[in-house]
Amino acid sequence: DQQVKQNSPSLSVQEGRISILNCDYTNSMFDYFLWYKKYPAEGPTFLISISSIKDKNEDGRFTVFLNKSAKHLSLHIVPSQPGDSAVYFCAASEGFNDYKLSFGAGTTVTVRA
Amino acid sequence: DAGVTQSPTHLIKTRGQQVTLRCSPKSGHDTVSWYQQALGQGPQFIFQYYEEEERQRGNFPDRFSGHQFPNYSSELNVNALWLGDSALYLCASSSGLAVYEQYFGPGTRLTVT
Repeated sequence: DQQVKQNSPSLSVQEGRISILNCDYTNSMFDYFLWYKKYPAEGPTFLISISSIKDKNEDGRFTVFLNKSAKHLSLHIVPSQPGDSAVYFCAASEGFNDYKLSFGAGTTVTVRA
Repeated sequence: DAGVTQSPTHLIKTRGQQVTLRCSPKSGHDTVSWYQQALGQGPQFIFQYYEEEERQRGNFPDRFSGHQFPNYSSELNVNALWLGDSALYLCASSSGLAVYEQYFGPGTRLTVT
């Protein structure tokens, strides 16, 4: 039962442009959401998170938007850089201290020079 | 700081065999979680250990068991291996405060033939 879905397996974007990654969830109990970035042969690394009490969180070039009514979140990367080429995972939990994360299948981002 | 380390890096086993995977947490961390990442999917939460006890468990059969030692390192054991157990097994450690503080190791690639 896939409770977190990333429907775009891949995204190609030109350097300097915006990357938009989307994620949908079905479990109404989720109230904490995270984005992870993964390079080959490395474990996922935490990128940015958002609590359900917010609709936007920004950290440098990365912004996450949450639409609770639509059960949808997105990650914006502006501007995209070659080092951003990686697999991005959306994850959700029932609280910021709940480690039982549910992950999406990931979106592979390729930034073209 | 060595970060989260896992051993072995790769492992090949035969159906029906048993396997033990090992994880050393990042220095200062006392909580360890294990995830299974099948090819083309996101990580799936197996269980979490804190103070040598299993604190949370995902939807995995009893063939999957674990242990945490007094030095906070952890083992994941899988009995009666199936072909479907072939996956990347990720270990993540934290100080137990917030899930975004989790650090992932590079994983152990298990192939069951």
